[in-house]
Amino acid sequence: KQEVTQIPAALSVPEGENLVLNCSFTDSAIYNLQWFRQDPGKGLTSLLLIQSSQREQTSGRLNASLDKSSGRSTLYIAASQPGDSATYLCAVRGGSYIPTFGRGTSLIVHP
Amino acid sequence: DGGITQSPKYLFRKEGQNVTLSCEQNLNHDAMYWYRQDPGQGLRLIYYSQIVNDFQKGDIAEGYSVSREKKESFPLTVTSAQKNPTAFYLCASSIPQDGTGELFFGEGSRLTVL
Repeated sequence: KQEVTQIPAALSVPEGENLVLNCSFTDSAIYNLQWFRQDPGKGLTSLLLIQSSQREQTSGRLNASLDKSSGRSTLYIAASQPGDSATYLCAVRGGSYIPTFGRGTSLIVHP
Repeated sequence: DGGITQSPKYLFRKEGQNVTLSCEQNLNHDAMYWYRQDPGQGLRLIYYSQIVNDFQKGDIAEGYSVSREKKESFPLTVTSAQKNPTAFYLCASSIPQDGTGELFFGEGSRLTVL
């Protein structure tokens, strides 16, 4: 059964720092990996989707990479801002096509 | 606007009552999912449906029931058999496997048992 781990569980940084959030998974036979953002009491907003044949995806200040062989993905946030404060979750979709989620990284960016 | 609509946003239930959470999508997606989220936990899969009139149990289906009579709708019933139903419930749908497979979520429904 696929297991997804996100490290760190929580992160507090000053504004302007570059950040790396990690997502690891146990079964490398994946279909895709998707990063989400969740604000308190809200649903999940899709940030980036990486297909299994891709190595990275970029959107604005966000860059996500995928290394299937090592079972890892990283989400890089450049020049962090207070508005980036949220919980970030990754979801891995494997052969069963059912998404499996990590527990998330809670990020606080303080001014 | 295309999207997923969950209702109600907040729901209070007395012990012993069944409640139904609504999930409607106008994205023309075949696959729909129900997840439960508890504080400090990841999302846990309750039920999923990959096609109309068919659905499968997820990891924590006990005490829940679903139906999928229409492509657009996937309601979740929390029955009195669910011992700890207070949680945040999220509905999702996804683009088919032969497409990008991207997953989209509604805004969630928070259920509190009094």
